[in-house]
Amino acid sequence: AQSVAQPEDQVNVAEGNPLTVKCTYSVSGNPYLFWYVQYPNRGLQFLLKYITGDNLVKGSYGFEAEFNKSQTSFHLKKPSALVSDSALYFCAVRDPRDSGAGSYQLTFGKGTKLSVIP
Amino acid sequence: GAGVSQSPSNKVTEKGKDVELRCDPISGHTALYWYRQSLGQGLEFLIYFQGNSAPDKSGLPSDRFSAERTGGSVSTLTIQRTQQEDSAVYLCASSLGQGASYEQYFGPGTRLTVT
Repeated sequence: AQSVAQPEDQVNVAEGNPLTVKCTYSVSGNPYLFWYVQYPNRGLQFLLKYITGDNLVKGSYGFEAEFNKSQTSFHLKKPSALVSDSALYFCAVRDPRDSGAGSYQLTFGKGTKLSVIP
Repeated sequence: GAGVSQSPSNKVTEKGKDVELRCDPISGHTALYWYRQSLGQGLEFLIYFQGNSAPDKSGLPSDRFSAERTGGSVSTLTIQRTQQEDSAVYLCASSLGQGASYEQYFGPGTRLTVT
């Protein structure tokens, strides 16, 4: 079984400062990892994914994430936060080796609310 | 191009009534997923379609929930005899293929309120 933990319910950061939203995962094999963002009253938007290769993945809106296998983490980062980045962020995982019933679904963390303060 | 669309955007229904939620995936996407998002439960997987078949119904919470997909495109999620605990946002997603590396693209959701 696969699982994702987002240890922080909320992250507050000042505009212009770097931001980090934390994610750790648990899967039996090598994970496929995803970050999504949800703005109020809207669906989830795909930001970036890690499948294989370079541990640093760059995505939309200046976001990036670093895959760390030893720490089983996939933290989302941005060098300089914008007020418009304020939203709910979800980390998700799939185990490509899982051929069972759960292999097609994304397993999501509980979400982290990011507030960027002007 | 057009994204995933869902209708209605909001639905208020009385306990015991049946409801139908519709999802139009991105054109050409063969895989379609339904999730439920609620405050207490986060995002829960409900069902997955590859083409018109549903190999994974493991997430459907009860036999009151059913879904179908026709023509490899539009999908309908039906909830019979709705209960207050069914109140949630129902999200549909589609992806280009069923492989684990494909990202899923989500619609705006249908907010269901059961009174």
